[in-house]
Amino acid sequence: QQPVQSPQAVILREGEDAVINCSSSKALYSVHWYRQKHGEAPIFLMILLKGGEQKGHDKISASFNEKKQQSSLYLTASQLSYSGTYFCGTESAYTGNQFYFGTGTSLTVIP
Amino acid sequence: EAGVAQSPRYKIIEKRQSVAFWCNPISGHATLYWYQQILGQGPKLLIQFQNNGVVDDSQLPKDRFSAERLKGVDSTLKIQPAKLEDSAVYLCASSLTAGVGLSEQYFGPGTRLTVT
Repeated sequence: QQPVQSPQAVILREGEDAVINCSSSKALYSVHWYRQKHGEAPIFLMILLKGGEQKGHDKISASFNEKKQQSSLYLTASQLSYSGTYFCGTESAYTGNQFYFGTGTSLTVIP
Repeated sequence: EAGVAQSPRYKIIEKRQSVAFWCNPISGHATLYWYQQILGQGPKLLIQFQNNGVVDDSQLPKDRFSAERLKGVDSTLKIQPAKLEDSAVYLCASSLTAGVGLSEQYFGPGTRLTVT
């Protein structure tokens, strides 16, 4: 039930863009995105709900394809502070709000 | 507002010993989660509470792990007896929503457990 993320790792230069993908085999009600820096707890970035509602930070965008059970996180004009591991989290549509984090994507932004 | 509190922050025990972790969620948050995060991996959900009830404990090794949430507020996670593979960071998180459609999760600082 764990969602699968791609790529596993990516290295960017400051100012470059990146896309992180998340795919689930289950029908989803929502997709969440979190970022975790080394030695710290995950920090909330965004929620995308079935039906199109979104909640999150202004500088981060994401999409949610309900039919394909897929979501993508778009990081534009990357900054050094964007470095960390990004996790999607999925809430299943039919089984009582069960929540699972994805496999993770390590993002490194270099000067 | 105060964040999610966890204690202890670090714990070192020998295998076959017992250990307990405590979590105090953000006031008013109905949903509480316990995660196990092994180094280099994503958080793995152990148990999810909604108020007093358990929503999901399918990945909790019930022969050795137990958790409770008293009065829908504080929660404790216990391991008895511990194994070497239990070495990990145990994260507690809470979120506001009590119905369908989870709100964002706020994480505590975690407890780093080392089993020797």
